[in-house]
Amino acid sequence: DQQVKQNSPSLSVQEGRISILNCDYTNSMFDYFLWYKKYPAEGPTFLISISSIKDKNEDGRFTVFLNKSAKHLSLHIVPSQPGDSAVYFCAASHTDKIIFGKGTRLHILP
Amino acid sequence: DAGVIQSPRHEVTEMGQEVTLRCKPISGHNSLFWYRQTMMRGLELLIYFNNNVPIDDSGMPEDRFSAKMPNASFSTLKIQPSEPRDSAVYFCASKGQGAISNQPQHFGDGTRLSIL
Repeated sequence: DQQVKQNSPSLSVQEGRISILNCDYTNSMFDYFLWYKKYPAEGPTFLISISSIKDKNEDGRFTVFLNKSAKHLSLHIVPSQPGDSAVYFCAASHTDKIIFGKGTRLHILP
Repeated sequence: DAGVIQSPRHEVTEMGQEVTLRCKPISGHNSLFWYRQTMMRGLELLIYFNNNVPIDDSGMPEDRFSAKMPNASFSTLKIQPSEPRDSAVYFCASKGQGAISNQPQHFGDGTRLSIL
């Protein structure tokens, strides 16, 4: 029973183009959503978050969009850079617990 | 500032042995989380503590797993006896105070555990 789903295990994007990573959730009690980035042999690092009362949050090249009616969120990276190649985890929280998706591996192509 | 510190980084041991993983959270953080990452199941929450008290251990897979937090700066995750299916990367994370949901967790670099 996956409450947070990332249906694309991997994604390849040309450098300079927009990367769009998608995430779906099932539990309407989630009130905060986060994206984490993970490099090999390191722990996940926090990237950007959004409260359930908002539909968009932007931080530099990173923007997260939330569609509550569809229980869907997405992370946009523009322009994509080589250092963005990593695994991206979508996560959702209610109280102290965070539920993570299985991740999407993003490859930025030269 | 030091981040979350986990030790050892790698552990290889034989089936049946006791394994102890250690975590030092970020100073001042009052919540600590233990996760397990596998290919099949992704990042799973095993247990978390608030102010050194275990709050939710529903993710602990079996009685072979136990976790303690004797003080605000140290936690252990113990597996006894260990089995090959316990092989995974184990992460510790900590979180500061603030509104319940909106503080991000900070992760250590994990312990890669291999049980032969």
